[in-house]
Amino acid sequence: GQQVMQIPQYQHVQEGEDFTTYCNSSTTLSNIQWYKQRPGGHPVFLIQLVKSGEVKKQKRLTFQFGEAKKNSSLHITATQTTDVGTYFCAGTRTGNQFYFGTGTSLTVIP
Amino acid sequence: DTEVTQTPKHLVMGMTNKKSLKCEQHMGHRAMYWYKQKAKKPPELMFVYSYEKLSINESVPSRFSPECPNSSLLNLHLHALQPEDSALYLCASSPTEGLSYGYTFGSGTRLTVV
Repeated sequence: GQQVMQIPQYQHVQEGEDFTTYCNSSTTLSNIQWYKQRPGGHPVFLIQLVKSGEVKKQKRLTFQFGEAKKNSSLHITATQTTDVGTYFCAGTRTGNQFYFGTGTSLTVIP
Repeated sequence: DTEVTQTPKHLVMGMTNKKSLKCEQHMGHRAMYWYKQKAKKPPELMFVYSYEKLSINESVPSRFSPECPNSSLLNLHLHALQPEDSALYLCASSPTEGLSYGYTFGSGTRLTVV
């Protein structure tokens, strides 16, 4: 599968601080999806971005797809302890399958 | 019903054993997937079934054998596994194979090969 890299690999924040994870591909992505996996849990679908430059919001979460469709970001405003988990982007270049990025593990310190 | 159900939740098997993992969904989804996830790693795609036919096999060793008996069920038959096959095995489904929908994942089977 293709390599979709995410940075940072790990992030520790104080509760109330903001958090951003970045997803980068060396090739143009058709679509990108974001998933959250709680510790000991399974991935849960958050959102899909399709259009160049697209921005979507879900409460405190803001998702962005780059203009060149090679990168994406997830920003969480004022983190809460319930935001703990690993955030994965999943992108596809060709074909009908998504391949997961390397993930960013978020720890929120109360 | 908006869930993907996987059984068993935990499985310990010897290298000479034969076992099966089961996955069930009643959302009418026509695409079903098997993923393997090692600790602190992203899920890796193994197999894709679309309309009950094998669509993708990501070069998975033959000791893993998938089966899709009907549109609601997906099995993964295991035989002669190695300790390095120990992992979380996740089943997922989506309305169709393709890029338009998010995947719904089951809670997984945590497999230990001894």
